[in-house]
Amino acid sequence: AQSVTQPDIHITVSEGASLELRCNYSYGATPYLFWYVQSPGQGLQLLLKYFSGDTLVQGIKGFEAEFKRSQSSFNLRKPSVHWSDAAEYFCAVGAQGSSNTGKLIFGQGTTLQVKP
Amino acid sequence: AAGVIQSPRHLIKEKRETATLKCYPIPRHDTVYWYQQGPGQDPQFLISFYEKMQSDKGSIPDRFSAQQFSDYHSELNMSSLELGDSALYFCASSFGQGNTEAFFGQGTRLTVV
Repeated sequence: AQSVTQPDIHITVSEGASLELRCNYSYGATPYLFWYVQSPGQGLQLLLKYFSGDTLVQGIKGFEAEFKRSQSSFNLRKPSVHWSDAAEYFCAVGAQGSSNTGKLIFGQGTTLQVKP
Repeated sequence: AAGVIQSPRHLIKEKRETATLKCYPIPRHDTVYWYQQGPGQDPQFLISFYEKMQSDKGSIPDRFSAQQFSDYHSELNMSSLELGDSALYFCASSFGQGNTEAFFGQGTRLTVV
């Protein structure tokens, strides 16, 4: 069965420090991978996505993520965190292939807190 | 740019009542997805429609039904509401299936009392 695991429920970093949010997936085929950000009471905003090709993908707001097939991981990184990055971050996986209906399986989310 | 519109934004219902949530996709988007996000939980896929036909079904209770209309808007009907149905309900839309980028609405927060 498809699943996504975000091992870190809560992360606190200082403003200006680097950030890495972990995401591991379990999927029988090559997945589509996504990172979304959610501010309190708000909708989900897509940060970046991986479909194929270059395993290092760039997203909005200075975020990037690297797909590592051997580790079944898709970790999100940012070199310097801003206070406005404090939010909930969700990793998600979608199916490829003929059964692909576009539905997403989300991880449990990681809450990012930024210290001044 | 136009986004996915969900209405209402907030809804309070009593147990055993019925609720209808509406979703208006981005113009020319033909695929709609519904997700349920409980407090402190990740979004869970409920159901999706492509070209007005149900395309996939997730963990949607039998008390819930949904449809996509000719103008591509979608409605999620929820009957015999339970306290556990209190959640944020997201609609997302995309052009085509196959994990083309899905755009999420702001959600409808349903509170069952």
